[in-house]
Amino acid sequence: GESVGLHLPTLSVQEGDNSIINCAYSNSASDYFIWYKQESGKGPQFIIDIRSNMDKRQGQRVTVLLNKTVKHLSLQIAATQPGDSAVYFCAETGSNSGYALNFGKGTSLLVTP
Amino acid sequence: DARVTQTPRDKVTEMGQEVTMRCQPILGHNTVFWYRQTMMQGLELLAYFRNRAPLDDSGMPKDRFSAEMPDATLATLKIQPSEPRDSAVYFCASAQGDRAFGDTEAFFGQGTRLTVV
Repeated sequence: GESVGLHLPTLSVQEGDNSIINCAYSNSASDYFIWYKQESGKGPQFIIDIRSNMDKRQGQRVTVLLNKTVKHLSLQIAATQPGDSAVYFCAETGSNSGYALNFGKGTSLLVTP
Repeated sequence: DARVTQTPRDKVTEMGQEVTMRCQPILGHNTVFWYRQTMMQGLELLAYFRNRAPLDDSGMPKDRFSAEMPDATLATLKIQPSEPRDSAVYFCASAQGDRAFGDTEAFFGQGTRLTVV
């Protein structure tokens, strides 16, 4: 029979455009956030992190924005490239979750030429 | 190039058999996580250890799953007996966490793809 899988939000962007991937979290005590990238057949790979005492952090072509008021996290990728096609996960941890790293469901990013 | 190593990469087994998955964390990391990834549930935390002591294994079915760290260089996840619903990719990750996890990111292994038939 037909299998029903996890329906991932999908973002399709053209090569060279900027991408914005969003993530909402529910734990108000979360104090550390990470974005991971997962390519097919591989484990999640660290992209960038941010602590709760910051609202913005920049890396190479990536920027993470944190809005603690509305419990929202975003990942911005500048000049998106075909190699950026992957599933992106946000993860959070905090003191009242025992510092376990909890992952969101993921967003699939597809970069078209 | 420091990395988390998981073995085996792929495992096909019959229902009812015991399965053991192994993980070698990055040398010097004191926190080890086990995750299960399926299409239905995404990435689920099964258990994690700090300094070889289990901190939380509430995500793990206790009747058939067990996780241990015999020493600082080896973490194991065992399923006995295995069932078809255990089919998934199992990831191990390690991190260097001192007073709190948030000191550094977790590094993931390549995963063990388990198929129970």
